[in-house]
Amino acid sequence: KNQVEQSPQSLIILEGKNCTLQCNYTVSPFSNLRWYKQDTGRGPVSLTIMTFSENTKSNGRYTATLDADTKQSSLHITASQLSDSASYICVVSAGGGTSYGKLTFGQGTILTVHP
Amino acid sequence: NAGVTQTPKFQVLKTGQSMTLQCAQDMNHNSMYWYRQDPGMGLRLIYYSASEGTTDKGEVPNGYNVSRLNKREFSLRLESAAPSQTSVYFCASTNEGGGLRGYTFGSGTRLTVV
Repeated sequence: KNQVEQSPQSLIILEGKNCTLQCNYTVSPFSNLRWYKQDTGRGPVSLTIMTFSENTKSNGRYTATLDADTKQSSLHITASQLSDSASYICVVSAGGGTSYGKLTFGQGTILTVHP
Repeated sequence: NAGVTQTPKFQVLKTGQSMTLQCAQDMNHNSMYWYRQDPGMGLRLIYYSASEGTTDKGEVPNGYNVSRLNKREFSLRLESAAPSQTSVYFCASTNEGGGLRGYTFGSGTRLTVV
């Protein structure tokens, strides 16, 4: 069964500090991995999308890494801001034909940034 | 603003009542999806529509029906609501078809069944 596991479940940091969120997956065949940010009461918004051949991708203060051999990904947030408080969701897309309906979502890491 | 619009944002139903969740996108996307999000769990796919005129079951379709009314609109119907259907429902759309464009999500409908 395809699965995506994220850790930690929740994290509290002080404003200005860095943090790293983890994602392990068992989706096969692998197509791509995405990180989404979900603010409270809102839908998820895409941060990065990485394919098998990409090891790292940045979007401002967000940097995602992918190790396709160990099936692990991380999302690093630099110089955190209060607005970074949200749930961060790792999503893996299965390959093989069309990707319709083949996204597997992690349960999310809830990040809280305190002043 | 371009995007995915869901209505209503909040709804309380009594067990056995029916209702339809509406979703519309103005990005000319071919594919549309309905997900549910429950505490401590990842989003789970209920139904999807790869293109206008087609619909298919996802991971958790029981108790739901869908209609792809046209390219813009994709509705989700609960014929006889049950407490287990208390959840936050998200509609999403994409032109992906195996590519790398992102999925655009609506803001969600918070449904409580009592």
